[in-house]
Amino acid sequence: GQNIDQPTEMTATEGAIVQINCTYQTSGFNGLFWYQQHAGEAPTFLSYNVLDGLEEKGRFSSFLSRSKGYSYLLLKELQMKDSASYLCAVRVTAPYMFSGGYNKLIFGAGTRLAVHP
Amino acid sequence: NAGVMQNPRHLVRRRGQEARLRCSPMKGHSHVYWYRQLPEEGLKFMVYLQKENIIDESGMPKERFSAEFPKEGPSILRIQQVVRGDSAAYFCASSKGLPGGRATNEKLFFGSGTQLSVL
Repeated sequence: GQNIDQPTEMTATEGAIVQINCTYQTSGFNGLFWYQQHAGEAPTFLSYNVLDGLEEKGRFSSFLSRSKGYSYLLLKELQMKDSASYLCAVRVTAPYMFSGGYNKLIFGAGTRLAVHP
Repeated sequence: NAGVMQNPRHLVRRRGQEARLRCSPMKGHSHVYWYRQLPEEGLKFMVYLQKENIIDESGMPKERFSAEFPKEGPSILRIQQVVRGDSAAYFCASSKGLPGGRATNEKLFFGSGTQLSVL
């Protein structure tokens, strides 16, 4: 089966750094994504890792270790607007007889981050 | 350049009625995914479609739920005889895909979702 775990809730202070962890056990792994979702809105893409290591993009960084089935999202210089849910998603490739394979994203339950002044 | 468009944004139905949720993918995208999100939970995969084909419907309940993506027009998620447990946000996502429907390494673009409330 496919299993993705991340903490349910986290709190942090404006200006601080927070790390949101994600562990996964999946078959057909083909990349790990982080999405941000504000209440009542669509998930928006933050970052993508397919190889081991750190990907940095402004205030956000994401790390992947495929051997450990582990990723984290690092948010620096937190702002109030960063209060949102952060969704860890694993892309898996499944066999499909007509095209060689198809991708789908499997999501964790999300981590609700509350940033306080 | 419009993104993924979903309508209606909010849909209220009484138990036993039918719900039709529409999704127009981004221009040039031929792969559509439907996800369901219950309050305080993550996105649950329901179905993956390409034009005129259902590729993977493993996450969709066998009864009352159906999905289509016709050659022309939007993708439709249809829920017959709705029950209170169907109340959720339904998100559609799209990606471009390669000719022949092969998998790509693209990210998914999500619509704003349809909030279904069953009274």
